[in-house]
Amino acid sequence: NAGVTQTPKFRILKIGQSMTLQCTQDMNHNYMYWYRQDPGMGLKLIYYSVGAGITDKGEVPNGYNVSRSTTEDFPLRLELAAPSQTSVYFCASNPPGIRNEQYFGPGTRLTVT
Amino acid sequence: DAKTTQPPSMDCAEGRAANLPCNHSTISGNEYVYWYRQIHSQGPQYIIHGLKNNETNEMASLIITEDRKSSTLILPHATLRDTAVYYCIVRGINTDKLIFGTGTRLQVFP
Repeated sequence: NAGVTQTPKFRILKIGQSMTLQCTQDMNHNYMYWYRQDPGMGLKLIYYSVGAGITDKGEVPNGYNVSRSTTEDFPLRLELAAPSQTSVYFCASNPPGIRNEQYFGPGTRLTVT
Repeated sequence: DAKTTQPPSMDCAEGRAANLPCNHSTISGNEYVYWYRQIHSQGPQYIIHGLKNNETNEMASLIITEDRKSSTLILPHATLRDTAVYYCIVRGINTDKLIFGTGTRLQVFP
């Protein structure tokens, strides 16, 4: 299994531009998550999904949108990028259950200038 | 979810046990304690979790006090590769969301 993959690894956006961060997992996990991590800080949950067609907001959803049309994919859309969205973005997934071992992707480093 | 408190940083000599404390004094009866770590800029990695009993796996041991208000993650023989930020997280049984704090930066030195 490739696990959780994210593309791109790096991206520079100009203010006002839009982009989609891709996340795919091949472990047939129901649950998927998007986090952002600012320098020196812990991860903040942006959006999560408990299955195809179901998404919900996390701690910091403003400025982002998600969709979950398949079990494997959970793209994160940034509309009208702002400098405050400069961060590292991590996608994660896990199967349901008590263990809740979330598997993380390698991250996407985004800079908005 | 209960809030956790961890020291911002700790040092440990290679080969010695690293004991990372976590305070979660407002934890409720149906909340689990989870530990993750993040090595450099990689995505976090699950280490261990527990409810009230002590737990051990191939990576670490988790000691939870009887009143459940605090816990300690033990890396029995720390190596340089254990240098990372360690996150203690409390998660309710009815949610799959993890709320990350700022964690403890563990530096293992030779």
